[in-house]
Amino acid sequence: QKEVEQDPGPLSVPEGAIVSLNCTYSNSAFQYFMWYRQYSRKGPELLMYTYSSGNKEDGRFTAQVDKSSKYISLFIRDSQPSDSATYLCAKGKAAGNKLTFGGGTRVLVKP
Amino acid sequence: DVKVTQSSRYLVKRTGEKVFLECVQDMDHENMFWYRQDPGLGLRLIYFSYDVKMKEKGDIPEGYSVSREKKERFSLILESASTNQTSMYLCASSSTGETEAFFGQGTRLTVV
Repeated sequence: QKEVEQDPGPLSVPEGAIVSLNCTYSNSAFQYFMWYRQYSRKGPELLMYTYSSGNKEDGRFTAQVDKSSKYISLFIRDSQPSDSATYLCAKGKAAGNKLTFGGGTRVLVKP
Repeated sequence: DVKVTQSSRYLVKRTGEKVFLECVQDMDHENMFWYRQDPGLGLRLIYFSYDVKMKEKGDIPEGYSVSREKKERFSLILESASTNQTSMYLCASSSTGETEAFFGQGTRLTVV
């Protein structure tokens, strides 16, 4: 079993819809949970991170971590075509340390 | 503007060749990482380094080695390239105590 599982998609939604992305993980010894966004032919860029459990909101993006069920979620409200990318969840034990990534979910927002 | 620069975007090498992938960061970060990215598998950690001349194996180090002689530069070496090392290679750097890791644009390596 992979340490971080993520549905590969693709997930296709109409513009303006809510995008819901999920990951599950198997090892509880991690404190940092991140979402990276990767556009085609580019390196990943940090979108959001959460420390331990709880929610975090940044504009149209909300990240949630439920440590009891080992579940990581990302919600994108009012999705735009520019949100079309691959979204990678990741976890780390400490800030700046190595990360363990999920396989990535490809999202396509259609105008 | 922070930058992680990988020396090549695309490389084609022959089986058995020794291959060097170079990565330079200009942010004075202590930590540097090499990942490979394959469809459906996400990013997998090959090697990482928390300081100059230090290196640690990641999850898939077989067939690879690394060198970090200077703080800003982290090199990935494929001692004898094989076709199963055809992949996208991503370098990243981070600062201890800071959450974000910054990635380079990637090197797409094809071994024929």
